[in-house]
Amino acid sequence: GENVEQHPSTLSVQEGDSAVIKCTYSDSASNYFPWYKQELGKRPQLIIDIRSNVGEKKDQRIAVTLNKTAKHFSLHITETQPEDSAVYFCAASILPGNQFYFGTGTSLTVIP
Amino acid sequence: EAQVTQNPRYLITVTGKKLTVTCSQNMNHEYMSWYRQDPGLGLRQIYYSMNVEVTDKGDVPEGYKVSRKEKRNFPLILESPSPNQTSLYFCASSRRQGSETQYFGPGTRLLVL
Repeated sequence: GENVEQHPSTLSVQEGDSAVIKCTYSDSASNYFPWYKQELGKRPQLIIDIRSNVGEKKDQRIAVTLNKTAKHFSLHITETQPEDSAVYFCAASILPGNQFYFGTGTSLTVIP
Repeated sequence: EAQVTQNPRYLITVTGKKLTVTCSQNMNHEYMSWYRQDPGLGLRQIYYSMNVEVTDKGDVPEGYKVSRKEKRNFPLILESPSPNQTSLYFCASSRRQGSETQYFGPGTRLLVL
């Protein structure tokens, strides 16, 4: 099956700085890559996703990039704010997207 | 209010005592899925369902059963729970496919002694 690796496991940044979280996947057939944010004690929530026919996608301060050749994708958060502090999970799936494989999570702390 | 609900939210049980965790959504979603979350392992998919009477195994289905007799409900059954099934369980649903936004339930924290 698919294997998704996520790095780093913890990340601390100063408010206003950028944060980057990276994931690699093993199955070249994977073509859908969502990112989830989970605040402490809460449920995961989808924040952005990308499909393999696109190299980059942005939504305000959040962007995701995908390198199909290298089989890795990254989450970029710019101008970080304390409310960005959470655990972030990447995932990989094959469209139409029924079976999902998640990374182990990155705990992001934004220091005011 | 559109939502995914799970019951119970917390459960302490003993090895071998059958239990069911219920999941219900009121959004008429076709896709539903169960995940478990463990420290250092992230989320792992147990089972998913693409519609009524259609279920399939995820990455870690051993020791679990599911059923989808109605569109709104997707219970997770542990026939003979073991301590290694102690975990935080999430149910999720999406409109038609998992690649559409998945809405997660609040989670069920299970401790098997």
